[in-house]
Amino acid sequence: RKEVEQDPGPFNVPEGATVAFNCTYSNSASQSFFWYRQDCRKEPKLLMSVYSSGNEDGRFTAQLNRASQYISLLIRDSKLSDSATYLCVVMGGAQKLVFGQGTRLTINP
Amino acid sequence: GAGVSQSPSNKVTEKGKDVELRCDPISGHTALYWYRQSLGQGLEFLIYFQGNSAPDKSGLPSDRFSAERTGGSVSTLTIQRTQQEDSAVYLCASSSPGSGRANEQFFGPGTRLTVL
Repeated sequence: RKEVEQDPGPFNVPEGATVAFNCTYSNSASQSFFWYRQDCRKEPKLLMSVYSSGNEDGRFTAQLNRASQYISLLIRDSKLSDSATYLCVVMGGAQKLVFGQGTRLTINP
Repeated sequence: GAGVSQSPSNKVTEKGKDVELRCDPISGHTALYWYRQSLGQGLEFLIYFQGNSAPDKSGLPSDRFSAERTGGSVSTLTIQRTQQEDSAVYLCASSSPGSGRANEQFFGPGTRLTVL
C-alpha cells in the first residue's frame, strides 16, 4: 500500500464548478500535511498547509481528519488557471515529504 | 525574494559518466532536501541536510549517489557511473525550520537529467 494515496483522475470540470480531491495516508504519526500544485514540466508549488481545524485560502478549502487519516481539498468557482496536477503531501519522519501520485485537473471553458 | 535555484536546468549524459547537479537554497533557509521525479512517477525523497547535523541519506537509491552541502548553503548532488534508470527530474527544496512556516518546503525548478 502506498503511504499517500490519491485518485489520479483525470478530473475534467467546467469553469465555475466546484471540485473536491481526497487523499488518504497510512502513517498515523504524520504531523504535517500540505497540498502542492504542479504545472506541466514545472516544479511543485506549495498551495496550502492543512491544519487540524481546517483552513481556507480564498477559493480553496483544506480539511484534515486525523482519525480517518484523510485529507481533502475543495476548489470553488474553478478558473481555467486552476488546471494542474494537485499533490497531496504528508511529512513523515525526519522532515521528509511523502508525495501522493497527484490528481490531474483540467478546467474547461 | 529569490527562490531556490538549480543548475543546470537540463543535462544529457552518456551511460557510465558522472554528473553533478547544483542547488542554491533560499537565503537563510537552513534545511535543504533533494528529491527526484521519474517519468510517470511521484516524487521520491533522496537526502536531507539540516544545519551542521549529519545528513539523512536514507532515500539515496544506491552508493552511486552522494551529496554534500558546503558552508551550510549550496549543495551538490553527484551521480557516479550514471545508468539509464537515473533519468529523471532532480528537485531541490529548502525550508526554514526555525520560522513559523517551519515545515513548508519550497522547490527549485529542477534539473532534467537524461542518460543515453
